[in-house]
Amino acid sequence: GESVGLHLPTLSVQEGDNSIINCAYSNSASDYFIWYKQESGKGPQFIIDIRSNMDKRQGQRVTVLLNKTVKHLSLQIAATQPGDSAVYFCAETYNDYKLSFGAGTTVTVRA
Amino acid sequence: DTGVSQNPRHKITKRGQNVTFRCDPISEHNRLYWYRQTLGQGPEFLTYFQNEAQLEKSRLLSDRFSAERPKGSFSTLEIQRTEQGDSAMYLCASSHDRNQPQHFGDGTRLSIL
Repeated sequence: GESVGLHLPTLSVQEGDNSIINCAYSNSASDYFIWYKQESGKGPQFIIDIRSNMDKRQGQRVTVLLNKTVKHLSLQIAATQPGDSAVYFCAETYNDYKLSFGAGTTVTVRA
Repeated sequence: DTGVSQNPRHKITKRGQNVTFRCDPISEHNRLYWYRQTLGQGPEFLTYFQNEAQLEKSRLLSDRFSAERPKGSFSTLEIQRTEQGDSAMYLCASSHDRNQPQHFGDGTRLSIL
């Protein structure tokens, strides 16, 4: 499953498939980006980060891609599991302390 | 559990009352941040501390809001004369240093009656 285009508020994906969550960031001066996962009633949980001198970074089952030319960030989740159901936020910063968050994408994993 | 701890988890109060929230950051994290999150939105930055110094305050932080981090460890956020519009989730985060990921607590949900 993939959130097509710049951003969609919801994404439904079949368990076991790969997910792609897209984010368009606003500030061309931003140089540090973070993806967070937020489950209901909990705070945002750090997933992965990337600095502007990189265009790709991989973690466990997750990959973040950064395209500074079009100010676009994406999070790829491999082999999506039911526990991946949550709201996903991208966040950017240009001054190393104030994170600006996107609107979030709600991911629902179908069994 | 060595994550960011926030207390209380929920606070219900009447309009006009004062409330205070506490945040205990991850041990040895120099930076501490406060954010506010309303339903369906991403968190919004309020303020941050480097050790005990408060270095930046958002314009969202009206004069009814005050935050402290007296010994560079835990922090408190106080809201005086609460208003209906203060109802939100108040999130605390900490990081070791600049451009290190901010780790969030589970927040304090404030409801104003």
